[in-house]
Amino acid sequence: KAGVTQTPRYLIKTRGQQVTLSCSPISGHRSVSWYQQTPGQGLQFLFEYFSETQRNKGNFPGRFSGRQFSNSRSEMNVSTLELGDSALYLCASSMRAQVSGANVLTFGAGSRLTVL
Amino acid sequence: GDSVTQMEGPVTLSEEAFLTINCTYTATGYPSLFWYVQYPGEGLQLLLKATKADDKGSNKGFEATYRKETTSFHLEKGSVQVSDSAVYFCALILKYNNNDMRFGAGTRLTVKP
Repeated sequence: KAGVTQTPRYLIKTRGQQVTLSCSPISGHRSVSWYQQTPGQGLQFLFEYFSETQRNKGNFPGRFSGRQFSNSRSEMNVSTLELGDSALYLCASSMRAQVSGANVLTFGAGSRLTVL
Repeated sequence: GDSVTQMEGPVTLSEEAFLTINCTYTATGYPSLFWYVQYPGEGLQLLLKATKADDKGSNKGFEATYRKETTSFHLEKGSVQVSDSAVYFCALILKYNNNDMRFGAGTRLTVKP
């Protein structure tokens, strides 16, 4: 069973550009969550999608957006990149909507974004 | 707000030493608790979990017990190996959080031969 696949794994952008990251969840998983990981702030929740609907959003500016497609694949977009957006962006999927002990998050390897 | 506090690292141990990584939490309800591990260049892997008080999660020789009275979920392993070198994250989720898992800052473990 394939795991959570994130593309691209590494990318370099310059300030002001925009970026789109892709996430393919485990087959059968309908919920996709995104997290940002930085050395200073640690792991922070960005947003979560279930059945193509954003159910929850973390405390990030509107430059961060996402969507989910009917096949559960998800993309996140960051517009007008800033130096502080340099981070590892992790996608995680779960079978059902609410994470719990019985419905855990499975993470991908991440997309490492460097903003110059 | 709901949060997790982990002992600061890095932690360096010799092979076969005993490992404890402390984790305490603050939550307004009754969270499910998790330990995730991150190896270099990889994402997070679920190590173990516990969903209610006094539950013990265990996997690959690691154990953690959900202690409601001390709001703790300390990770332990009796004999570490070099291959256990990684960053360990304690995390919690509450039912109303809608997948907004709260992670600790992570503890880097290095095991030397």
